[in-house]
Amino acid sequence: AQSVTQLDSHVSVSEGTPVLLRCNYSSSYSPSLFWYVQHPNKGLQLLLKYTSAATLVKGINGFEAEFKKSETSFHLTKPSAHMSDAAEYFCVVSETGRRALTFGSGTRLQVQP
Amino acid sequence: GAGVSQTPSNKVTEKGKYVELRCDPISGHTALYWYRQSLGQGPEFLIYFQGTGAADDSGLPNDRFFAVRPEGSVSTLKIQRTERGDSAVYLCASSPRGGSGGALEYNEQFFGPGTRLTVL
Repeated sequence: AQSVTQLDSHVSVSEGTPVLLRCNYSSSYSPSLFWYVQHPNKGLQLLLKYTSAATLVKGINGFEAEFKKSETSFHLTKPSAHMSDAAEYFCVVSETGRRALTFGSGTRLQVQP
Repeated sequence: GAGVSQTPSNKVTEKGKYVELRCDPISGHTALYWYRQSLGQGPEFLIYFQGTGAADDSGLPNDRFFAVRPEGSVSTLKIQRTERGDSAVYLCASSPRGGSGGALEYNEQFFGPGTRLTVL
């Protein structure tokens, strides 16, 4: 069975400083991995996805994530936080052969001025 | 173009009542998904349609939950004899096609804004 663990329920950074949101996954097969963002009162939006083509994945708004199979991790990073990055972030896994997405419990990112 | 739309945006009902939640996917998307997001949690998969048929309903919690997609476009999630524990945001998503779900075939799921269901 597949599962996702987001190691921090809440992360607070200052504007202009780096962002690190941690995610570990468990999957029986070669997974697809994603990060979604959810702004208040808005729908979930895909930030980036890993589908085995490259281990370092670049997404929208300057975010990127690195797939590390040996560590079963898929941490999300951004070099410099912006106020508009404040939102809930979900790490998501999907196993080959299944369409269903399995979401982590989410990390709320707060950006301080 | 228009995204995934869901109606109503909010639904308040009493315990034991029947409710229907509607999802209009992006035009041309053949795959449609329902998820449920409880307070403070990530979304949980309920059911996936490829065209008119339910290809995977393994996430439906019990037989009070049922979903249909009769013409391969709009879908309705139906909940019978609602319970307070059914209170959550119900999310719908669509994607251009189903496929096998293999890594190189994956299509992004586009989510709607959700319907917030409150059972009193």
